[in-house]
Amino acid sequence: ETGVTQTPRHLVMGMTNKKSLKCEQHLGHNAMYWYKQSAKKPLELMFVYSLEERVENNSVPSRFSPECPNSSHLFLHLHTLQPEDSALYLCASSQAGTGGTYEQYFGPGTRLTVT
Amino acid sequence: GNSVTQMEGPVTLSEEAFLTINCTYTATGYPSLFWYVQYPGEGLQLLLKATKADDKGSNKGFEATYRKETTSFHLEKGSVQVSDSAVYFCALRFSGYSTLTFGKGTMLLVSP
Repeated sequence: ETGVTQTPRHLVMGMTNKKSLKCEQHLGHNAMYWYKQSAKKPLELMFVYSLEERVENNSVPSRFSPECPNSSHLFLHLHTLQPEDSALYLCASSQAGTGGTYEQYFGPGTRLTVT
Repeated sequence: GNSVTQMEGPVTLSEEAFLTINCTYTATGYPSLFWYVQYPGEGLQLLLKATKADDKGSNKGFEATYRKETTSFHLEKGSVQVSDSAVYFCALRFSGYSTLTFGKGTMLLVSP
């Protein structure tokens, strides 16, 4: 596997379910991101992990819980979601550090539908 | 705060037509500017970038010039192909800080 992979690609869950999204990067990067992509809205940055530490959390409801066990893996744990949480969830990775501009590489996303 | 505004889509063109997708930004300071492309069923891919005023980013026949005076970074291509059909995102980021601010995206549909 190369680049950034995400599983599952599609997920349908009820509002009372608990599920997790997985992201894995094979690029040797040290920062990982979760984005939410909804129709007709800009991509929303949800969480940023740098060197396995959460460095940004953009007022995301607590029903979304990220986990970054190492620099290659990122999870998004989901519980008691709402229908408005249905969206494409994108994972990205990059090198992070002072100075320079470091490109983010994106995975294909998980299409989540909450029923 | 920082923001990026893109033209509403979809943009519908015939093959070999000229493409312009407008992008303007609001930011304090001088960010780096990016265009990302998302093909159907895929994640975002970096298409091109520019890091300072008057820089021109180019890739795969696409170009965009960083215009500080008009705070713009319009995407252009002289002759589009059906395979260019995708959603295009304009984004900004400040050097040394890796969070991107995206526009809403513009869908491009190219017909044969």
